[in-house]
Amino acid sequence: AQSVTQLDSHVSVSEGTPVLLRCNYSSSYSPSLFWYVQHPNKGLQLLLKYTSAATLVKGINGFEAEFKKSETSFHLTKPSAHMSDAAEYFCVVRTTGFQKLVFGTGTRLLVSP
Amino acid sequence: DGGITQSPKYLFRKEGQNVTLSCEQNLNHDAMYWYRQDPGQGLRLIYYSQIVNDFQKGDIAEGYSVSREKKESFPLTVTSAQKNPTAFYLCASSRGRSEEETQYFGPGTRLLVL
Repeated sequence: AQSVTQLDSHVSVSEGTPVLLRCNYSSSYSPSLFWYVQHPNKGLQLLLKYTSAATLVKGINGFEAEFKKSETSFHLTKPSAHMSDAAEYFCVVRTTGFQKLVFGTGTRLLVSP
Repeated sequence: DGGITQSPKYLFRKEGQNVTLSCEQNLNHDAMYWYRQDPGQGLRLIYYSQIVNDFQKGDIAEGYSVSREKKESFPLTVTSAQKNPTAFYLCASSRGRSEEETQYFGPGTRLLVL
């Protein structure tokens, strides 16, 4: 069965410093992977997705993620954090067959001035 | 504006009461989904529908029911059999069954028990 593990429940950074949110996946085949962002009391917005094309995926708002099969990882990064990046981030894997999504437990990103 | 709308934003349920959450999309998407989100957890799939007049149970369907009479609408009923209904409910849609399809989410409904 497919699953994802988000290694940190909270990450704190200062504005202008790099962001790293870690995600490891488990899948018996080449997976489709996503990062979604959720601001408080809002729905989820797609940041980026990997579907077996380029391993370095660029998303919205300056975020990117690299698919590393050897490490079964799909970490999310951003060179310079902005206050508006403060939110909850979910790493997601899609199962085979019908597109059922399996969500990680989320990482809350805190950005201080 | 194209998108997914959910109503109401907040909903209160009394003991023994059934309540219905609305989800409407004008994206012409075939597939629609309902998820439940609890604090500190990821989203869990309740029900999904690939096409009008057809739907399947997800991972936590007990205590919930759905209908899909129109392509643009996928209402979720939380029945009295759901003993712990307090959660944030998110509706999503996607174009169809392709492996490349992305799910788009509505703004959510927060359900609280009185």
